[in-house]
Amino acid sequence: GQNIDQPTEMTATEGAIVQINCTYQTSGFNGLFWYQQHAGEAPTFLSYNVLDGLEEKGRFSSFLSRSKGYSYLLLKELQMKDSASYLCAVPGNTPLALVFGKGTRLSVIA
Amino acid sequence: DTEVTQTPKHLVMGMTNKKSLKCEQHMGHRAMYWYKQKAKKPPELMFVYSYEKLSINESVPSRFSPECPNSSLLNLHLHALQPEDSALYLCASSQDHLPGEQFFGPGTRLTVL
Repeated sequence: GQNIDQPTEMTATEGAIVQINCTYQTSGFNGLFWYQQHAGEAPTFLSYNVLDGLEEKGRFSSFLSRSKGYSYLLLKELQMKDSASYLCAVPGNTPLALVFGKGTRLSVIA
Repeated sequence: DTEVTQTPKHLVMGMTNKKSLKCEQHMGHRAMYWYKQKAKKPPELMFVYSYEKLSINESVPSRFSPECPNSSLLNLHLHALQPEDSALYLCASSQDHLPGEQFFGPGTRLTVL
């Protein structure tokens, strides 16, 4: 089965950098996803990593280490609108079945 | 059109009612999903349709019945629900059978009285 662990809550200051970690255990590996979800809204896709290393996309970057079962999402130049839950997810027993971590609720303060 | 639409946005129903949730996408995606999400919890997968065939049923009670009339539409029929079934029901779609970005609809907020 799949087991995903990420911190429950984080707080960071506007303009700062924050790193949200995710550790996972899977029986097979088909990549790792990060989604953002604002309160009361649907999740939106941020990134998909299948190879080791850092992928940068504007203010957001995602890193993967398959040997360590570890990923992080890096958010730079934080803005108030970045306050949301960040969900780490991996494909489950079949590739289509995404299993989500419990999510990290990020609060950006002035 | 890069949108997944869901109707209704809100639904209140009694335990003896029968209702349906609807989901539509016109991105040519061949995989469609139903998720259930309780407050402050992550989405939990319920069903997956791939090429209009049910490919995954995550041990969901029979009071939830999915239907995929065509490649653009996905329904979730509800009957004899319990108050603990109150949740946000999210529909999503993705390209095909490989892992890939899932596009989520805005959800239906369901309350069972």
